[in-house]
Amino acid sequence: GIQVEQSPPDLILQEGANSTLRCNFSDSVNNLQWFHQNPWGQLINLFYIPSGTKQNGRLSATTVATERYSLLYISSSQTTDSGVYFCAANNDMRFGAGTRLTVKP
Amino acid sequence: EPEVTQTPSHQVTQMGQEVILRCVPISNHLYFYWYRQILGQKVEFLVSFYNNEISEKSEIFDDQFSVERPDGSNFTLKIRSTKLEDSAMYFCASRIRGAYEQYFGPGTRLTVT
Repeated sequence: GIQVEQSPPDLILQEGANSTLRCNFSDSVNNLQWFHQNPWGQLINLFYIPSGTKQNGRLSATTVATERYSLLYISSSQTTDSGVYFCAANNDMRFGAGTRLTVKP
Repeated sequence: EPEVTQTPSHQVTQMGQEVILRCVPISNHLYFYWYRQILGQKVEFLVSFYNNEISEKSEIFDDQFSVERPDGSNFTLKIRSTKLEDSAMYFCASRIRGAYEQYFGPGTRLTVT
C-alpha cells in the first residue's frame, strides 16, 4: 500500500513564527487530508487537498500530486496551534506518523 | 453542520470482555470506516464498509473484530474478547459516494484492564 512520511517529526516555534510541514507519499492519490489532533485526541479536519492549493485563515496547504508531496503552512502561529498534525492519503487513509508542533508564548 | 458522532467517549473494560463501539455517520453518507490509534502512535486503518459489507480490511482487523450496520443510522465495531493491546482511541469516519473526503468522529477511548 501507499507509504506516507511526514517531516519534521517535531517542531518548536515561538508564537508569531511561520512554519511549513511536509507530507510525502509514495503513489498517486485520490484523497489527501490534513488533520490537527487536539489535546483531547480529536482529529480536526483541516484540508481535503488531493491537488492544488487551499487557504483557511492562517493555514494553507498545497499538494503537488505529480511530485507526490503536500505542504501545510501555518502563519503567525499561536499557542493554540500546538498539537500533532497528520496527513493521510487515499481511501483507506494511510496516515503519516505526524508532526508534533509546540508553539511557545 | 452535520457531524459524525461516537458513543461512548470513554469505555473501560476488563480483558476478555466484549465491547461494542457505536458510531452515527452523517446521514447521507454511504461509506463507513473504523480506525484506531494506540497512544502516542499514528492512526491506523481497520476496515471500510459499503453496501452492508466489508470493502477492505487491514491485517489488524482479525477474527476478534466485526462491524455491523444494525439499522439505518448506526455503525458499530465489536471486539469479541478484548486484550490489553486493544487499548486505543477508535475513530469512525464516513463519506458520500462520489467524493473522497472523509469526516471523522471525535473518537472513543477504549481502556482494557
